[in-house]
Amino acid sequence: DVKVTQSSRYLVKRTGEKVFLECVQDMDHENMFWYRQDPGLGLRLIYFSYDVKMKEKGDIPEGYSVSREKKERFSLILESASTNQTSMYLCASSFLAGAYEQYFGPGTRLTVT
Amino acid sequence: QKEVEQDPGPLSVPEGAIVSLNCTYSNSAFQYFMWYRQYSRKGPELLMYTYSSGNKEDGRFTAQVDKSSKYISLFIRDSQPSDSATYLCAMSARGAGSYQLTFGKGTKLSVIP
Repeated sequence: DVKVTQSSRYLVKRTGEKVFLECVQDMDHENMFWYRQDPGLGLRLIYFSYDVKMKEKGDIPEGYSVSREKKERFSLILESASTNQTSMYLCASSFLAGAYEQYFGPGTRLTVT
Repeated sequence: QKEVEQDPGPLSVPEGAIVSLNCTYSNSAFQYFMWYRQYSRKGPELLMYTYSSGNKEDGRFTAQVDKSSKYISLFIRDSQPSDSATYLCAMSARGAGSYQLTFGKGTKLSVIP
């Protein structure tokens, strides 16, 4: 079974803090993704990466950055957390070619106060 | 018009009922169609994956794709309380950037014992 793990299930941070969310997958997938999920807005893509050290902006990259130093690990960074970044953050991974389905981690519920 | 439309519900049915969940889409380039199930406070898990038009069955679940009408469905037979979750449709096109998925916003289903 594909396993995608995220470093924290619940996180509470203060406005202005730098926040790191970590994601690790164990299936040698090339692609990795970060989404946020909010009621009424669904899943929105923040950033994705199709290879080590490669990244592409998704639909809502403002206020976020990412890092992918190793194939299995993809980090989401909130440079200066704000209250409007309170959300559920979901990491996903998929193969590059031949399959398009994505496998999700359990999510991190981030609250910024 | 949004690329993918999905009725958010909520949908409430008695145990044992047949459930029909649907999505419509506007992008005729979509060829890969998925259904995800998401339990409360968890990440989405892949339920069904189909390519192009036709039906696919897996136990009590049947996924149906009608590309001529740009309409996809998920049927759940003999629904169980454990099926209570939010169901998300997702789809992808072939070609550059095709590893991105476009998601519906999800339909919340409750199966009442």
